[in-house]
Amino acid sequence: DQQVKQNSPSLSVQEGRISILNCDYTNSMFDYFLWYKKYPAEGPTFLISISSIKDKNEDGRFTVFLNKSAKHLSLHIVPSQPGDSAVYFCAASGGGGSNYKLTFGKGTLLTVNP
Amino acid sequence: NAGVTQTPKFRILKIGQSMTLQCTQDMNHNYMYWYRQDPGMGLKLIYYSVGAGITDKGEVPNGYNVSRSTTEDFPLRLELAAPSQTSVYFCASSKRWDRGQGEQFFGPGTRLTVL
Repeated sequence: DQQVKQNSPSLSVQEGRISILNCDYTNSMFDYFLWYKKYPAEGPTFLISISSIKDKNEDGRFTVFLNKSAKHLSLHIVPSQPGDSAVYFCAASGGGGSNYKLTFGKGTLLTVNP
Repeated sequence: NAGVTQTPKFRILKIGQSMTLQCTQDMNHNYMYWYRQDPGMGLKLIYYSVGAGITDKGEVPNGYNVSRSTTEDFPLRLELAAPSQTSVYFCASSKRWDRGQGEQFFGPGTRLTVL
């Protein structure tokens, strides 16, 4: 039972355009969401997060939007750069006393073409 | 400041062999985690620890054991390796959990193949 779903295995965009990566979740107890970026042969690195009390969080070129009623979040990258090419994982936590444990989606491979 | 380090980077095991994956962090984080990532899949939590001497099972603990005798180290033990344990293993650490500070720092991973 996949509680965090990233339904697009891959996404290709042109440099300078917007990249939109999507994530859906099923567990209504999740209340904190994170995006991680992963390059080949490296560990994931934290990118941006959002609490369920907000609907938007922005950090430079990266913005995360949360729609709680739809149980959906998205990561916007504007403008996209070739160095953004990586696998992006959506992760969620919350519910009960173990709210520090993360549940990850399968990831979306973003390719930004020059 | 090295962050989270893992050794070895690569290892090939025969079925039934044992090994320990090492993980060390120098950020004085209380929380540490072990994940595995299978091809085309997300990371799945194997075990975690909220402090020295305290460990607990994650989503996929079968076939693994852990210990946490110090704040810095969190080794993962495979006792009888099986082909199903072929995966990339990531160790991670974080500060004590607090809203807005949930970032986990990951090591570079250990690629394990069991033949």
